[in-house]
Amino acid sequence: AQSVAQPEDQVNVAEGNPLTVKCTYSVSGNPYLFWYVQYPNRGLQFLLKYITGDNLVKGSYGFEAEFNKSQTSFHLKKPSALVSDSALYFCAVRDAPQAGTALIFGKGTTLSVSS
Amino acid sequence: DVKVTQSSRYLVKRTGEKVFLECVQDMDHENMFWYRQDPGLGLRLIYFSYDVKMKEKGDIPEGYSVSREKKERFSLILESASTNQTSMYLCASSAPGTGFNSPLHFGNGTRLTVT
Repeated sequence: AQSVAQPEDQVNVAEGNPLTVKCTYSVSGNPYLFWYVQYPNRGLQFLLKYITGDNLVKGSYGFEAEFNKSQTSFHLKKPSALVSDSALYFCAVRDAPQAGTALIFGKGTTLSVSS
Repeated sequence: DVKVTQSSRYLVKRTGEKVFLECVQDMDHENMFWYRQDPGLGLRLIYFSYDVKMKEKGDIPEGYSVSREKKERFSLILESASTNQTSMYLCASSAPGTGFNSPLHFGNGTRLTVT
């Protein structure tokens, strides 16, 4: 069975500092990995995805994520945080060979960027 | 831009009522999903559909049913609402593609309170 874990409920960083939001996953085959962001009182928005190819994936709003197969991780990163990045971030995974299965989401990590 | 519209932003229902949550997307997407979001639990998949009149159970289908009579509309039905179904309900759609690797487009959510 596929699963995804976000080990931190909350991440606090100062504006201008680099940020990392962690994600680990478990699948039986090759993973499809996604990051989504949710701003207050809004639905989720897609940030980036890894399907295949380059392990470093670049996405919206200056975010990137690195796929590490040996550590089964897909951490979200940004070199310089902005206060406007404060939001709830979700990692999601799908087991690629399993036809008809949908995305499984982590529990979410609240990112708080202070000025 | 893809638009996923959920008919109600806030809904208050009584225990035992039959509740319909409606979701419409305007991009001819084949895949549609219903998730519920609860603090500390993240998003959990209730049902999804990859074609008209097709439906698949997610992780927590108990107490729910769905209807997909038209491609653009995916309805979530609570047959007899209970207080433990108080939650934020998120509808999403995605474009057709191999292996469900297309990003999900989410509606803004329906916050349902069952009293």
